[in-house]
Amino acid sequence: NAGVTQTPKFQVLKTGQSMTLQCAQDMNHEYMSWYRQDPGMGLRLIHYSVGAGITDQGEVPNGYNVSRSTTEDFPLRLLSAAPSQTSVYFCASIKGQKIYEQYFGPGTRLTVT
Amino acid sequence: GENVEQHPSTLSVQEGDSAVIKCTYSDSASNYFPWYKQELGKRPQLIIDIRSNVGEKKDQRIAVTLNKTAKHFSLHITETQPEDSAVYFCAADKGDETSYDKVIFGPGTSLSVIP
Repeated sequence: NAGVTQTPKFQVLKTGQSMTLQCAQDMNHEYMSWYRQDPGMGLRLIHYSVGAGITDQGEVPNGYNVSRSTTEDFPLRLLSAAPSQTSVYFCASIKGQKIYEQYFGPGTRLTVT
Repeated sequence: GENVEQHPSTLSVQEGDSAVIKCTYSDSASNYFPWYKQELGKRPQLIIDIRSNVGEKKDQRIAVTLNKTAKHFSLHITETQPEDSAVYFCAADKGDETSYDKVIFGPGTSLSVIP
């Protein structure tokens, strides 16, 4: 299994541009989530999904959209990038069925200028 | 919503000494408390977790304790080694064994083990 994969690894955007961060997992996990990591602020939950077709907001959802059309994929869309969205983004998944360990992807480092 | 605080933000210990990291949470409904370790430039990985029906859990040099009444839990690392140097995150979740909720992380503790 490839586990949780994320693309791209690095991205530079100009203010106002939009883009989609890709996340996929091949472990048939039910639960997927997106976090952003900023120095001194830990991992903050952006959006999460408990299954295909179901998404919900986390702690810092503004400026981001998600969808979960399949179990495997959970893309994160930045609608109009702002410098405040410069961060490292991690996607994670949980198997479910009483197994709660979160498996994180390798991360995407995003810079908005 | 749930709020998780973590102390200290940085911690330096001599190799062989013990390290303790403490977290508090605000939502009394939280019942699952994992700890993740993140080495520099890498992704977070689970090192130990505890459920609210257990007061303490141990795995070799790592232990976690939980005080539900006070709403705090702690990570204890004994006989620290240089490879323990990393950022450690605590988290809280109020999902039960059949459903999930938001997993909220603390801000992290940067642990340095000095040889």
